[in-house]
Amino acid sequence: GAVVSQHPSWVICKSGTSVKIECRSLDFQATTMFWYRQFPKQSLMLMATSNEGSKATYEQGVEKDKFLINHASLTLSTLTVTSAHPEDSSFYICSAKKGLGSETQYFGPGTRLLVL
Amino acid sequence: AQTVTQSQPEMSVQEAETVTLSCTYDTSENNYYLFWYKQPPSRQMILVIRQEAYKQQNATENRFSVNFQKAAKSFSLKISDSQLGDTAMYFCAFRSSGAGSYQLTFGKGTKLSVIP
Repeated sequence: GAVVSQHPSWVICKSGTSVKIECRSLDFQATTMFWYRQFPKQSLMLMATSNEGSKATYEQGVEKDKFLINHASLTLSTLTVTSAHPEDSSFYICSAKKGLGSETQYFGPGTRLLVL
Repeated sequence: AQTVTQSQPEMSVQEAETVTLSCTYDTSENNYYLFWYKQPPSRQMILVIRQEAYKQQNATENRFSVNFQKAAKSFSLKISDSQLGDTAMYFCAFRSSGAGSYQLTFGKGTKLSVIP
């Protein structure tokens, strides 16, 4: 199988605080992980691509200082939303890709963030 | 840049009937991958089917099949014998086959409702 988990599944925080979301590949090593954002009734928008042991590559318009991504191991990537504001409220989804030659991304169940 | 277009925001089908979801894409590449993902109310993204552009044969997975028309850049999904559990958002996605090009480009999605 190819199972990806995310923690937490939902989080509510006050404006100005930081929130960390974890993405784990449970039964495979993920050389590359991706972070997406999904607004209600909209499609997934890629935020950044994360390769193990190197800096993440951010999509145009995504603030790297606000959305900190760390991919410290082959099974774990973290997204930290720093100084969160209400406009950061969204559904964040991660996905993971197996090694070279694998073209399929396996998605986590998502994390719903609400910033008050 | 690649674009993916899903022209049907919403569709409905009677249980046990067949429905086809449309997807067109734009690319200048010759080799690439196409995917259909399903996102049920739980919001977990689930891979339904994938197609490699260099393969002429249409992919099939049980009740799900695609009609891949490379020249027309069309990639429709046919769901046969629709079941209530097929109710979900369906996203068409494109991925380049170039080295390091692992990002998925998603369409805006089609909301499918299966009616009892």
